[in-house]
Amino acid sequence: DTEVTQTPKHLVMGMTNKKSLKCEQHMGHRAMYWYKQKAKKPPELMFVYSYEKLSINESVPSRFSPECPNSSLLNLHLHALQPEDSALYLCASSYWTDSNQPQHFGDGTRLSIL
Amino acid sequence: GESVGLHLPTLSVQEGDNSIINCAYSNSASDYFIWYKQESGKGPQFIIDIRSNMDKRQGQRVTVLLNKTVKHLSLQIAATQPGDSAVYFCAENPLYGGTSYGKLTFGQGTILTVHP
Repeated sequence: DTEVTQTPKHLVMGMTNKKSLKCEQHMGHRAMYWYKQKAKKPPELMFVYSYEKLSINESVPSRFSPECPNSSLLNLHLHALQPEDSALYLCASSYWTDSNQPQHFGDGTRLSIL
Repeated sequence: GESVGLHLPTLSVQEGDNSIINCAYSNSASDYFIWYKQESGKGPQFIIDIRSNMDKRQGQRVTVLLNKTVKHLSLQIAATQPGDSAVYFCAENPLYGGTSYGKLTFGQGTILTVHP
């Protein structure tokens, strides 16, 4: 079982809906990440939070809005998504962003945009 | 741009055989590498990692080899079992100006199928 918990596991939403993905870890990690993974492709980095501050935004469209309320929680707010945004959204965490720290992943939220 | 790639997209082996999954990387600034296993419906699971100042690291039934001269990484799985069937990704952590930002770059993945 993964120590990074993501909810919901599945989400279906229309293009006009607003929803949020949630991620939680209790390993004391201070870096948290959002990735997007399309079918049969590798994960692609979206955002990096370090000590609850956004440190990396990989040119992600503004319809994706990350939030880190505290060191254990990471949210991804979704609004006005497009069908091409359908994918598996993975959350990961690590002790910090320094090298030599493996990122540990949750099992993701499978998102379908109608 | 810099990328991490895999030579073999699929690998089929018999149970009990040893498996070798290869990965080529091109970013000479990468100093840390990780292998992940991803089963259907799950997130990537950490298997083993290696720093650039090492050329070999062993875990339980797995060994990672790093050849910096030719920028090549491999994962060896001993006595492969049906439960090892999954997609395997290598990932590199490049440094930017000598600093890590946690920007992992993944290879394309290899599908390993183990036949009983």
